[in-house]
Amino acid sequence: DAGVTQSPTHLIKTRGQHVTLRCSPISGHKSVSWYQQVLGQGPQFIFQYYEKEERGRGNFPDRFSARQFPNYSSELNVNALLLGDSALYLCASSQLAGASQPQHFGDGTRLSIL
Amino acid sequence: GQQVMQIPQYQHVQEGEDFTTYCNSSTTLSNIQWYKQRPGGHPVFLIQLVKSGEVKKQKRLTFQFGEAKKNSSLHITATQTTDVGTYFCAALNQAGTALIFGKGTTLSVSS
Repeated sequence: DAGVTQSPTHLIKTRGQHVTLRCSPISGHKSVSWYQQVLGQGPQFIFQYYEKEERGRGNFPDRFSARQFPNYSSELNVNALLLGDSALYLCASSQLAGASQPQHFGDGTRLSIL
Repeated sequence: GQQVMQIPQYQHVQEGEDFTTYCNSSTTLSNIQWYKQRPGGHPVFLIQLVKSGEVKKQKRLTFQFGEAKKNSSLHITATQTTDVGTYFCAALNQAGTALIFGKGTTLSVSS
């Protein structure tokens, strides 16, 4: 079975632009979470979605938004990009809502802001 | 906010030596998860500990959850070059919706 897939793998943007990152969970997984990982740090929680509803939100500004589609895939949108948004964006899926079960991560999208 | 602290930040060992990383929290944790991230890769789930004083083993890896459920450790016996990577502990946030990751311990192994 395919794991969590994310696209694109790499992206270069300039300040002020917006970006959309995409994630397809493992087949049968209904929960998708987004994390931001800055170099040298652990992943930081951004959002969790389950059955198309937002179930959790981390300490990120309103420039960050996300949604989940009927097929359980998800998009993360970031507006008005800042240099500090440069990071690896990870998507994780699990069968159930919440994070009290193993999270299966994708390879991530590496976003660079110039 | 809730935090988990990991030490050491970096550890270099000779192949065959043992390695231990520690994870500490000021608050009682409902559970703790451990992940490994290889250089250039993504975090991969290793194990979850739930019970006070729990000890679990996976081949050369031993995971412990403290009696007070405020600390955890990962011990690797006789390290191999395949053990290279960053090991993260992660705790559930109060709402149960997200994992709070430590900063990780990066292990390098020379043969």
